[in-house]
Amino acid sequence: AQTVTQSQPEMSVQEAETVTLSCTYDTSESDYYLFWYKQPPSRQMILVIRQEAYKQQNATENRFSVNFQKAAKSFSLKISDSQLGDAAMYFCAYRSSLYNFNKFYFGSGTKLNVKP
Amino acid sequence: DAGVIQSPRHEVTEMGQEVTLRCKLISGHNSLFWYRQTMMRGLELLIYFNNNVPIDDSGMPEDRFSAKMPNASFSTLKIQPSEPRDSAVYFCASSLRGVIGQPQHFGDGTRLSIL
Repeated sequence: AQTVTQSQPEMSVQEAETVTLSCTYDTSESDYYLFWYKQPPSRQMILVIRQEAYKQQNATENRFSVNFQKAAKSFSLKISDSQLGDAAMYFCAYRSSLYNFNKFYFGSGTKLNVKP
Repeated sequence: DAGVIQSPRHEVTEMGQEVTLRCKLISGHNSLFWYRQTMMRGLELLIYFNNNVPIDDSGMPEDRFSAKMPNASFSTLKIQPSEPRDSAVYFCASSLRGVIGQPQHFGDGTRLSIL
């Protein structure tokens, strides 16, 4: 089974600075999808960004971007110009591209603190 | 558009009671996932359905837990009898199967406290 590892249980960043959250995964598949979800204290799970493995270009969504290294099986999230509202748990997730396998594999999460 | 709707948002009950958590999928979605989140164990997948059919229930803790999809847009998760260790936040999520790479859309969760 696929595994997703987030090795940083907690991180802190100063407001307006940049922070990178790490995620690695293990798979034997060549095509798949990777996601980052944000869970603020309100406990909603919010999709932040998505990356398709067959695309070499890194996905970006406003201040959020990823560094996708397929050979290294690494999928890090970069948050630029951090804001207080970015404080949350961040989860990395993997999904197979196979039609019938739409199960998600989630990492254990990284808690991000943003200091004013 | 309405997102995934879960009810109740909070539930407090005594040990031994039956608990029913409810979930309404996003219109048109055909996959449904139930998760449990605790500090100790993180986010755990309990069970998921494709087109109302349970595909993988290997995460269901024990026979006290059961999940159903009586129709394409609605699901219930029941715990009977409930125990204090069942206290957690329970999420359901829906997705569109058949369209590659679709994300899961989560409800706001039910915080369950078993006294």
